[in-house]
Amino acid sequence: SQKIEQNSEALNIQEGKTATLTCNYTNYSPAYLQWYRQDPGRGPVFLLLIRENEKEKRKERLKVTFDTTLKQSLFHITASQPADSATYLCALDYNTDKLIFGTGTRLQVFP
Amino acid sequence: NAGVTQTPKFQVLKTGQSMTLQCAQDMNHEYMSWYRQDPGMGLRLIHYSVGAGITDQGEVPNGYNVSRSTTEDFPLRLLSAAPSQTSVYFCASSYSLLSGSGTDTQYFGPGTRLTVL
Repeated sequence: SQKIEQNSEALNIQEGKTATLTCNYTNYSPAYLQWYRQDPGRGPVFLLLIRENEKEKRKERLKVTFDTTLKQSLFHITASQPADSATYLCALDYNTDKLIFGTGTRLQVFP
Repeated sequence: NAGVTQTPKFQVLKTGQSMTLQCAQDMNHEYMSWYRQDPGMGLRLIHYSVGAGITDQGEVPNGYNVSRSTTEDFPLRLLSAAPSQTSVYFCASSYSLLSGSGTDTQYFGPGTRLTVL
């Protein structure tokens, strides 16, 4: 079955730096890949979607890349702020009516 | 719009009890789904629906029932609660999630924290 790997260890960075989170998957590439943000005690919130034939997608300080050769997506937050501290989830869509979520990586941005 | 609402926020059950977790959305979304989230396991799909009257199983459906009589509501029923069902449950909806058409943005509810003793 398809497996998604996100770094289970928290990522700690200093304010102003660029945070880079990784989402790796096995087997075949998904048609779409999404990134969500989840704050403690709340439901996930959609951030960005990237398609299989897209290399990169940007939205304000956020950037997502999708490398089907490496079977990897990278999620970047530039000029990070303490308010960016949260858990970030990646989700894969294989056009099967089901999204497959990773376990998420917790980001902590220190002033 | 209220978005996706879930009730209750918290619930404690005894083993063997049954209950229904409510989920409603006011965005006229066709696709609705239920996930459970456990530490270290991520979000796992329990059941989903691509429209009123249509439901299907996800990754972990055992012990749960769903129905979709209206576009707005998608209740999740625990038939006989077990301690293994202690978890946080999230309902989500999107405009569509049809094979071949791509995934639309998933809107999640605030979650229900369930403890089974």
